[in-house]
Amino acid sequence: ETGVTQTPRHLVMGMTNKKSLKCEQHLGHNAMYWYKQSAKKPLELMFVYNFKEQTENNSVPSRFSPECPNSSHLFLHLHTLQPEDSALYLCASSQDVVQPQHFGDGTRLSIL
Amino acid sequence: RKEVEQDPGPFNVPEGATVAFNCTYSNSASQSFFWYRQDCRKEPKLLMSVYSSGNEDGRFTAQLNRASQYISLLIRDSKLSDSATYLCAVSDNTDKLIFGTGTRLQVFP
Repeated sequence: ETGVTQTPRHLVMGMTNKKSLKCEQHLGHNAMYWYKQSAKKPLELMFVYNFKEQTENNSVPSRFSPECPNSSHLFLHLHTLQPEDSALYLCASSQDVVQPQHFGDGTRLSIL
Repeated sequence: RKEVEQDPGPFNVPEGATVAFNCTYSNSASQSFFWYRQDCRKEPKLLMSVYSSGNEDGRFTAQLNRASQYISLLIRDSKLSDSATYLCAVSDNTDKLIFGTGTRLQVFP
């Protein structure tokens, strides 16, 4: 059982839809992350929040919008996505940015 | 040159075999090193951190070679359940952890 919970597990959406991915961590960690994992590619870091402040935006298109209301919750708001955005989106957390990261189960996103 | 490189494999080994993977990194300022295991269609799970002096956890041994800028993972007495993709991750102690593409291991009976 993971200390990092992501919902939904699967999401199918059209290119004009707006949806949000949710991540919650129960580990008391201070840093949270969003990653994208596409087939045959390494995990791509998207966003980093440390003590609720965004410290990294890894050249992510504006159709992805993160939100971190508190240190336990992280959202990824999606709008006007493209088919190439279909991937596994993983949330992770760590005690601080130099400690090992613990991942959620991921949301498998398919864009029609 | 990629920041973190791994041989994608697959490495096909019989049960009981010893297998080793390497992972090279390009940033000489890297400070933190980790091995993760990822099963098919699942999230990565931390296997072990890699310490400067090398470290062992049961059948798994991790080593760091700073001079040649690589880390290694050795698995002894392979089990069927060890079949997975092994990801290395490297950080320069900023908030960025760089992952390799992973090495796939398949252990057969």
